Amino acid sequence: KNEVEQSPQNLTAQEGEFITINCSYSVGISALHWLQQHPGGGIVSLFMLSSGKKKHGRLIATINIQEKHSSLHITASHPRDSAVYICAAETSGSRLTFGEGTQLTVNP
Amino acid sequence: GAVVSQHPSWVICKSGTSVKIECRSLDFQATTMFWYRQFPKQSLMLMATSNEGSKATYEQGVEKDKFLINHASLTLSTLTVTSAHPEDSSFYICSALLAQETQYFGPGTRLLVL
Repeated sequence: KNEVEQSPQNLTAQEGEFITINCSYSVGISALHWLQQHPGGGIVSLFMLSSGKKKHGRLIATINIQEKHSSLHITASHPRDSAVYICAAETSGSRLTFGEGTQLTVNP
Repeated sequence: GAVVSQHPSWVICKSGTSVKIECRSLDFQATTMFWYRQFPKQSLMLMATSNEGSKATYEQGVEKDKFLINHASLTLSTLTVTSAHPEDSSFYICSALLAQETQYFGPGTRLLVL
């Protein structure tokens, strides 16, 4: 069993739909990261969470420390949101353990 | 925002040669940088933690004599893949830690060993 698990692995949505990607982890963490990886491979850090909820534009990330679970939500999805979304658990020394990623495709 | 660059972005080499990949933090100093590897359709895997002025810390299963890491300045870490073989073909990504808190990722280097 991976230390960080994401679901779903693949997600296809129509433009405008509300999207949720889930992440569960089994290790003790200092923070939980959500990253976006574009087709060319470049990675952008979206959120770093240690508790509660954060919002940036159409993106919302939540974390439940007791349940060791985090979700990434995208409201009013757009084709440009198509990418791989990765959650990563940060442990000691800022080391990251990554989930396998969720491939999101948003169709116009 | 903070910018991290990698060079080269693409490299193709013959089996047995060594390849050096540079990771630079362009507008901030980073005492800690990380090197990751990603095989096709797989997740990122941490290879090693690079600390300025000291030896890198390697993850279990990563050969330190094969993947040489040098972090000689606060803005530059290098990863050298020695005697590269086709199984080393992968996407290598670095990140730099800003203020010991936020990781900024480089754009990655695709290595193809023939």
